[in-house]
Order: sequence, then C-alpha cells, then structure tokens
Amino acid sequence: EVQLVESGGGLVRPGGSLRLSCVASGFSISTYSMNWVRQAPGKGLQWVSRISSDSSGIYYADSVKGRFTISRDNARNSLYLQINSLRDEDTAVYYCARERGFDTWGQGTLVTVSS
Amino acid sequence: QAVLTQPSSLSASPGASVSLTCTLHSGINVATYRIYWYQQKPGSPPQYLLRYMSDSDNLQGSGVPGRFSGSKDASANVGILLISGLQPEDEADYYCMIWYNSASVFGGGTKLTVL
Repeated sequence: EVQLVESGGGLVRPGGSLRLSCVASGFSISTYSMNWVRQAPGKGLQWVSRISSDSSGIYYADSVKGRFTISRDNARNSLYLQINSLRDEDTAVYYCARERGFDTWGQGTLVTVSS
Repeated sequence: QAVLTQPSSLSASPGASVSLTCTLHSGINVATYRIYWYQQKPGSPPQYLLRYMSDSDNLQGSGVPGRFSGSKDASANVGILLISGLQPEDEADYYCMIWYNSASVFGGGTKLTVL
C-alpha cells in the first residue's frame, strides 16, 4: 500500500523551530518530486514547498521563503521540512504530498505556534 | 484578484449533477493550464480526484468514480469539476489547483452540501 506518514509536529513558541518528517512506504520516493502543503484550522490548502526527485530543484511559497528548508533522503525514503522563526500564522496541519499532482497525501502533522 | 476563485458553497440534491467552477485570474489563460481537483472530508486529508488539461490529456485518480469528470470553459476562463449522480458521501470540500510561476496555487475551496 502506498502511504505517507508525517511526524514532528507539536506546540512551539513564536520564534521557535521544528523539523517535520515524512516517511514513505509502498513506493520509492527517489523517482518523485515531493511537496509540503499546509492547512490552517478551518481554512483552505496552501502549498508550502516542493523538491525535485534529485534535490536539484527546490521551490518555496513566498510566505515561508528564508524560514523553511525542504530536504529529502532518498535512501531513507524520507522527506523533511525544517521550519524556523515560527509565527502564529504558521499554525496548521502540515501534509506531505507526492508529485506535482499531489496524487498521494499523508494524514498530516499539527504544528501549533503559541506563547 | 486571486489567481483561482471558487464559490464558497454549493448545494444540490442526491442524484443531481453539479458543476464546481474554478475561475482563473483574467491574466491567466485556462487553455494553457492543467487543472487539478481534490476532495476533502472533515478530519481527513485531501484526496486527489483528477487532473484536466483537455479531453485527450486528463488523468483520473485511482479508485475515483467515473461520475467525477473535468472540463474547461474557455469563454469564461474557467475549470470545471462535474459530479453526476450526486451521492450523500460526495458532501465535502473541493479544491482546484494549478502550477503557476513554479508555485502551486489552490483555490479557496467550495463546500458542497448534498441535501
């Protein structure tokens, strides 16, 4: 079964940091671009970042540029998102999603930024 | 003006057909973009439904019923998700998405009520 499982979310104070992980099973991520998409409570979907299959292409939404870093370890079949300088407005469920079409999604991990 | 605009809500009766629209910014030609559609039910991650470029370039999600289909109305610069034979389990939020300037952009979503 093709599956994505996120982890690493939690409660963090403004200005803090977290590292989110996404582990894939049932397929190898090495041939796919991967993405992070977030959803604030009660709000719509917002794309955060994309990384190409070999990490040669990396893209960010303007709202996170300079604060978030996407990376991947194809040998570990894993995707990561380092999030720094967290703000209240970063509170959201963070999903990893496969390929440009987001054809597979994880269940998400909740990041709550609050003092 | 947002890149993608969706009506915030829509309602229809079981068995009916409904068209969910995704209007592109006037400076973006719908003919040149693949439109992706997702369904999200409360408490669950989004699910890929389909992508539509043209009748000869479209891709249904695995396990997605054929009563979900895509189209475009070039005269209105709109992408359309058509759901025929509405069922109670189709009640959900629906999002459209395009890739624009190396970034993924989602519409604000349409809440579909089946009553």
